[in-house]
Amino acid sequence: DGGITQSPKYLFRKEGQNVTLSCEQNLNHDAMYWYRQDPGQGLRLIYYSQIVNDFQKGDIAEGYSVSREKKESFPLTVTSAQKNPTAFYLCASSTPRTGNTEAFFGQGTRLTVV
Amino acid sequence: QKEVEQNSGPLSVPEGAIASLNCTYSDRGSQSFFWYRQYSGKSPELIMFIYSNGDKEDGRFTAQLNKASQYVSLLIRDSQPSDSATYLCAVNMRGSSNTGKLIFGQGTTLQVKP
Repeated sequence: DGGITQSPKYLFRKEGQNVTLSCEQNLNHDAMYWYRQDPGQGLRLIYYSQIVNDFQKGDIAEGYSVSREKKESFPLTVTSAQKNPTAFYLCASSTPRTGNTEAFFGQGTRLTVV
Repeated sequence: QKEVEQNSGPLSVPEGAIASLNCTYSDRGSQSFFWYRQYSGKSPELIMFIYSNGDKEDGRFTAQLNKASQYVSLLIRDSQPSDSATYLCAVNMRGSSNTGKLIFGQGTTLQVKP
């Protein structure tokens, strides 16, 4: 089945730790995105990548880092510099070069600071 | 002014009624528009997209776009309790069409009462 897989589903981070969220897609989509959702809020863009080995900051990139070494994978690292990381993190992908800008989402990772 | 605005609700309708969800956007050059449904604790699911002025129907759902007035709406006919969810409006703005970046509203919570 084609889709986007995020792991883990739940993640707990201690103060001062870096953690990495995984996102893998087998839809052959060029573009991938990371969004953050806080309770009762919409989605805010953290980082996006249109092509392998290239990525751009979104609206709230501070305290986060990404890599895009393979078309299928776009991991997000939440660093200790992110002061309020507790949120629901969503990975998405699309194929904007073909004019299809519909984005499809993975099941999300819920990150909690303990 | 927020780039994409929705009334957070909750919007409460009786089972079988028409639910009307509205969204306004600030960038007049926006090109494509999406409605996502999000159940509590789950990731967003794409239910409709619309690119041209007018109506687009898919089963019980109708998306309406009016670029002159900068609003997009979603009508749900014969509302069912299973339609109870948060509905997110997303806009692909001018200059973002080749990146696929979406700007999301905060979402409208719909409650369909049996």
